[in-house]
Amino acid sequence: GEDVEQSLFLSVREGDSSVINCTYTDSSSTYLYWYKQEPGAGLQLLTYIFSNMDMKQDQRLTVLLNKKDKHLSLRIADTQTGDSAIYFCAEADNQGGKLIFGQGTELSVKP
Amino acid sequence: DAMVIQNPRYQVTQFGKPVTLSCSQTLNHNVMYWYQQKSSQAPKLLFHYYDKDFNNEADTPDNFQSRRPNTSFCFLDIRSPGLGDAAMYLCATSRAGRGGRETQYFGPGTRLLVL
Repeated sequence: GEDVEQSLFLSVREGDSSVINCTYTDSSSTYLYWYKQEPGAGLQLLTYIFSNMDMKQDQRLTVLLNKKDKHLSLRIADTQTGDSAIYFCAEADNQGGKLIFGQGTELSVKP
Repeated sequence: DAMVIQNPRYQVTQFGKPVTLSCSQTLNHNVMYWYQQKSSQAPKLLFHYYDKDFNNEADTPDNFQSRRPNTSFCFLDIRSPGLGDAAMYLCATSRAGRGGRETQYFGPGTRLLVL
C-alpha cells in the first residue's frame, strides 16, 4: 500500500541550511506537499510540488523531487529559531485526493 | 481573510459523555475532512464530505460520526468518548474540480481531553 517515510529528528544551528528528506511509494501521486506544525497548532501548508516538476523554489524554501527514487526533500535556507517545528511530508492519493502523511520530522534550531 | 475555523480550541469531556467539535470555512470549498492526530503521530483521516456525500474511512470506529448541514459547516460527533479518543482533531478543506482534489487547508485544531 501507500507509505511515506521521514526521519524523525533533525537538529541544526541558526543560520545553517536544513534539509528534511522524505520517501514515498505511490508513483501515481500527482502532488506532494510539505506542511509545518508548531506545538499545539494545526498544519500550515508550506509548499507543494506537482509530480512533473523536479524543483520548486519559494523564498527560503527549495523542494527537490526525484521521481525515479521516489524521494522528496525540503531545504530551508538560513534556518531561524522560528523554523523549529514538526514538518510533515504528504502525498495525495491519485484516486480520491486523500493525503498520506509521513511520521513528521521534528526540526530543532539551536541559537 | 478566507480561513478554516475550529471551535473550541480545547475541549474537556467526561468518559462516555457525547461531545461535538465544530469546523467552519470561508473558502467556499466543497470538500471537508476530519483528521485525528495523537501525540507524536501523523494525522489520520477519519472521514470526509464531498459536497453532501459522506465518505468514511474503513478503519474509523462507529463511535465517530459527522454532519455537514451546509457548505460552510461540518461537525464531528463522538458518541461515547473513551480515554483513547484524547487527541488533536483537525479539520481541513479543499476544492474539487475536473482536475481532481486540490490542496488541503487545515484549521488550528481542537485538542480533546477525556477525563
